[in-house]
Amino acid sequence: GIQVEQSPPDLILQEGANSTLRCNFSDSVNNLQWFHQNPWGQLINLFYIPSGTKQNGRLSATTVATERYSLLYISSSQTTDSGVYFCAVEPNIGGTSYGKLTFGQGTILTVHP
Amino acid sequence: KAGVTQTPRYLIKTRGQQVTLSCSPISGHRSVSWYQQTPGQGLQFLFEYFSETQRNKGNFPGRFSGRQFSNSRSEMNVSTLELGDSALYLCASSLAETGTYEQYFGPGTRLTVT
Repeated sequence: GIQVEQSPPDLILQEGANSTLRCNFSDSVNNLQWFHQNPWGQLINLFYIPSGTKQNGRLSATTVATERYSLLYISSSQTTDSGVYFCAVEPNIGGTSYGKLTFGQGTILTVHP
Repeated sequence: KAGVTQTPRYLIKTRGQQVTLSCSPISGHRSVSWYQQTPGQGLQFLFEYFSETQRNKGNFPGRFSGRQFSNSRSEMNVSTLELGDSALYLCASSLAETGTYEQYFGPGTRLTVT
């Protein structure tokens, strides 16, 4: 099946710093999503970005589908950005793989005041 | 629009028992997927239902089963619980139409097996 690798596994920042999280995937995809998991376990949608670039406030994401990677940028980080960030993909297998997201292992982000 | 809801939020069961978890998707969404999250294995896909039909299944034993009703609500059942079934169970819903595969997750059900 498709492989998803996230880096770095852990990231420690001071408030106000910028960061870049990376997601590499092994096959073409028709869905790529970035999530932030809150302390209670819920996955919060950040971006649906199978290709291209999107921005939402201090966060932005870019997916280069032809090179099979995606980047999540966090600018001017805040302590509330702390948590686990997941990249997840659904491969393009003859059109769809029917609702199966494959997740990376996540990046644990800690932002200190 | 209301988000994805899951009930119950927390559950404690004894080894050997069975459990049923419920998921109500976002209104209009016809696809529901289920995932298991554990510290050791991360987030793993269980199965996906669309219009009451299971279209996809992950690598889990037959003790894990599910179904979907005509209103798109879904349930998953785990029989003969084992200690290793302790996990956070997440469901997600999607329109699942061409170009719109984005999944939206519920808050999860945290299952503890003792």
